[in-house]
Amino acid sequence: EVQLVQSGAEVKKPGATVKISCKVSGYTFTDYYMHWVQQAPGKGLEWMGLVDPEDGETIYAEKFQGRVTITADTSTDTGNMELSSLRSEDTAVYYCATTGTGNWFDPWGQGTLVTVSS
Amino acid sequence: EIVMTQSPATLSVSPGERATLSCRASQSVSSNLAWYHQKPGQAPRLLIYGASTRATGIPARFSGSGSGTEFTLTISSLQSEDFAVYYCQQYNNWPPITFGQGTRLEIK
Repeated sequence: EVQLVQSGAEVKKPGATVKISCKVSGYTFTDYYMHWVQQAPGKGLEWMGLVDPEDGETIYAEKFQGRVTITADTSTDTGNMELSSLRSEDTAVYYCATTGTGNWFDPWGQGTLVTVSS
Repeated sequence: EIVMTQSPATLSVSPGERATLSCRASQSVSSNLAWYHQKPGQAPRLLIYGASTRATGIPARFSGSGSGTEFTLTISSLQSEDFAVYYCQQYNNWPPITFGQGTRLEIK
């Protein structure tokens, strides 16, 4: 069974950096992209970017470019998403997801709540 | 960027009845469209990809149709577990991958 298990909730102050991990199992990590999606409270889904674990190449959404860093650690089959210069608007649940053979997301991690508050 | 627009924002339907949800793309996405539902406190779950192919384990009461710019998700006979928020997503022209704003399906 394919599983993506994310790290736990975080509380950060404005200006800080948060790093969330996503450990995969049940498939070969380097076979498929890992994506990250943001969901603010009561809001919809917003794609942040992806990493190709095979070569580490990344693509970021324009909105997050310059503040987000997505990486893949093939030694632990873990993807990571780092968001810097946090502000209150970054309070959200962050999901990792893999896209398998197509560019639809399946499955998703369970989500990680990041709260940005002074 | 392709903008995805879902309608209606909220749909009230009785259990056992049919629900029809719409998704429109600002330009053609061919059949490169997926549908998800999301229950409170849970991650989204894939229902449909390729506009009309059910994902593994998804019941036959869920069906998707459409191509180009107009898409429909139909749930033929609503069960209690179907009341959730539904999102469409295009993966034809990216980056960025884009989602609709969601349709909340609630019990009437």
